[in-house]
Amino acid sequence: DTGVSQNPRHKITKRGQNVTFRCDPISEHNRLYWYRQTLGQGPEFLTYFQNEAQLEKSRLLSDRFSAERPKGSFSTLEIQRTEQGDSAMYLCASSVYGSGFLGETQYFGPGTRLLVL
Amino acid sequence: DQQVKQNSPSLSVQEGRISILNCDYTNSMFDYFLWYKKYPAEGPTFLISISSIKDKNEDGRFTVFLNKSAKHLSLHIVPSQPGDSAVYFCAATSGGSNYKLTFGKGTLLTVNP
Repeated sequence: DTGVSQNPRHKITKRGQNVTFRCDPISEHNRLYWYRQTLGQGPEFLTYFQNEAQLEKSRLLSDRFSAERPKGSFSTLEIQRTEQGDSAMYLCASSVYGSGFLGETQYFGPGTRLLVL
Repeated sequence: DQQVKQNSPSLSVQEGRISILNCDYTNSMFDYFLWYKKYPAEGPTFLISISSIKDKNEDGRFTVFLNKSAKHLSLHIVPSQPGDSAVYFCAATSGGSNYKLTFGKGTLLTVNP
């Protein structure tokens, strides 16, 4: 399967702990996006990378959040000093920049569900 | 403010009939629209998309219609099957926003056998 993969699929942690999630995009996809989805809402944009450069961050991404894509392939999203409000599904998506002048389609991974106790 | 709205939280249809899911948007800069299907505990699965230069796009049982003047799009599923039961999300984007997606809240479709 060459789709987007995310690990772990589930994470339970105690408030104040740090957590890190990993995303492996579709091979050769140069754009990678992180979204967060809470109950009853659609996914909300957090940040995105083009190759290894982080080009945009949402105001939802507080300074406790950091994302990296060191070699332009996989990405990690770290949350420091987790809070109960961080409980959500964290989704990763990838696309090919310049894949069509009509628009780019993002393909999503299965997500990581975080529960902060 | 919610730039993409799906005003029907849920929809129930009979197997074999047509399902019509609606979506409205407010940002006139959006020029690319997508529909995703989502099962519980899984990520969204891409279904179909449409560019603002078109008013219709078909892929098998799925057709998306875009009415730019009304800032409205709809997804038609014909015929509906029980396996189509899922939450459907409408998403919009533009090149000017680096294609980050803005989602609606979703519509839960239930197809009854």
